[in-house]
Amino acid sequence: AQKITQTQPGMFVQEKEAVTLDCTYDTSDQSYGLFWYKQPSSGEMIFLIYQGSYDEQNATEGRYSLNFQKARKSANLVISASQLGDSAMYFCAMREGGRRRNTGTASKLTFGTGTRLQVTL
Amino acid sequence: DGGITQSPKYLFRKEGQNVTLSCEQNLNHDAMYWYRQDPGQGLRLIYYSQIVNDFQKGDIAEGYSVSREKKESFPLTVTSAQKNPTAFYLCASRQGDQPQHFGDGTRLSIL
Repeated sequence: AQKITQTQPGMFVQEKEAVTLDCTYDTSDQSYGLFWYKQPSSGEMIFLIYQGSYDEQNATEGRYSLNFQKARKSANLVISASQLGDSAMYFCAMREGGRRRNTGTASKLTFGTGTRLQVTL
Repeated sequence: DGGITQSPKYLFRKEGQNVTLSCEQNLNHDAMYWYRQDPGQGLRLIYYSQIVNDFQKGDIAEGYSVSREKKESFPLTVTSAQKNPTAFYLCASRQGDQPQHFGDGTRLSIL
């Protein structure tokens, strides 16, 4: 069963507007982590933001925020004040297991299929 | 600067040939990972290593092999048994509770 679902293959947003990229997940673990990565056309994966399952507040990092709704198992990325440089693929990923070292899962990440964001003038 | 270096950036393989992709990190990270990315898809885990001289299969290990003789190095060999090796390969490393950091990737194609 797919553990990370990104239902938006592509999104357009106008420069300076906000955009929400959807991510839903499936896990039976009580402790897990959710990540968003950005992949520009050059290919490297850039870490954006992290949300732990026990974190009470939604994570924020500059223009990025994570709308975490645990009961709905969703972890949507919100990008505020979009810039042309935000055009890229965006991947949601989940790490199952606790925050301790050597959890046995080696902090493996499961990725969604990604959303291609295009910022327009 | 600390980081992860993957080489080469582009690699071509002939039929029946083994090729090795290099991944070196100077971040002093314990764990290292290899992922494969196909067009329009997310990353899939090939192999991972939590410590030197130890590694485990990921979700799509068939046709691949790895070694972890040094902490900073985690080379991936794409063997002739991998029938569809054309893909983008990403190496990552991690320490403790931190997010995985990725290299710039190697694009492998079949001649």
